[in-house]
Amino acid sequence: KQEVTQIPAALSVPEGENLVLNCSFTDSAIYNLQWFRQDPGKGLTSLLLIQSSQREQTSGRLNASLDKSSGRSTLYIAASQPGDSATYLCAVVSSNTGKLIFGQGTTLQVKP
Amino acid sequence: EAQVTQNPRYLITVTGKKLTVTCSQNMNHEYMSWYRQDPGLGLRQIYYSMNVEVTDKGDVPEGYKVSRKEKRNFPLILESPSPNQTSLYFCASSLSIGGFRAFFGQGTRLTVV
Repeated sequence: KQEVTQIPAALSVPEGENLVLNCSFTDSAIYNLQWFRQDPGKGLTSLLLIQSSQREQTSGRLNASLDKSSGRSTLYIAASQPGDSATYLCAVVSSNTGKLIFGQGTTLQVKP
Repeated sequence: EAQVTQNPRYLITVTGKKLTVTCSQNMNHEYMSWYRQDPGLGLRQIYYSMNVEVTDKGDVPEGYKVSRKEKRNFPLILESPSPNQTSLYFCASSLSIGGFRAFFGQGTRLTVV
């Protein structure tokens, strides 16, 4: 059964720092891995999608990498800003079931 | 604007009173699904639909029903809500099952008293 784990559960950094969020998954049979952002009480916004054949994707200050063989992904946020404060969720689409399976998320606080 | 729309955003109801949460997408997506989000448990899939008239159970389907009579709509039905169904619910859609970006609605916060 696919399990997705995110470490750390919470992170607090001063503004301007570069930071890395980690995601691991137990089964390498995936279609893709997606990173989402969730603001309190709001919906999920898709940030980046990495297909299983890709190694990384970039969007602005965000860079996500995927190492399918080791079951790991990282989300790198450059020059963090207070507006980046949110919960970041990692999810994989299982190629066995087609389901989107989520990690528990990392709650990020960027202090001015 | 491409979006997934859920209604209502907030709902307080009493045990046993049937309710429906609507979900509509305007992107001609084939795949739609419902999730619930609970503290400490994360997001869990309730039901999904790969196309019109095709629905299947997710990980936590008990107490819920769905229908997919039109491509754009995927309502979630609670026939007899109970307090343990108090949760934050999300509808999502994607072009198809597999390697496509998922779009989520804004969520419905349901409280059953």
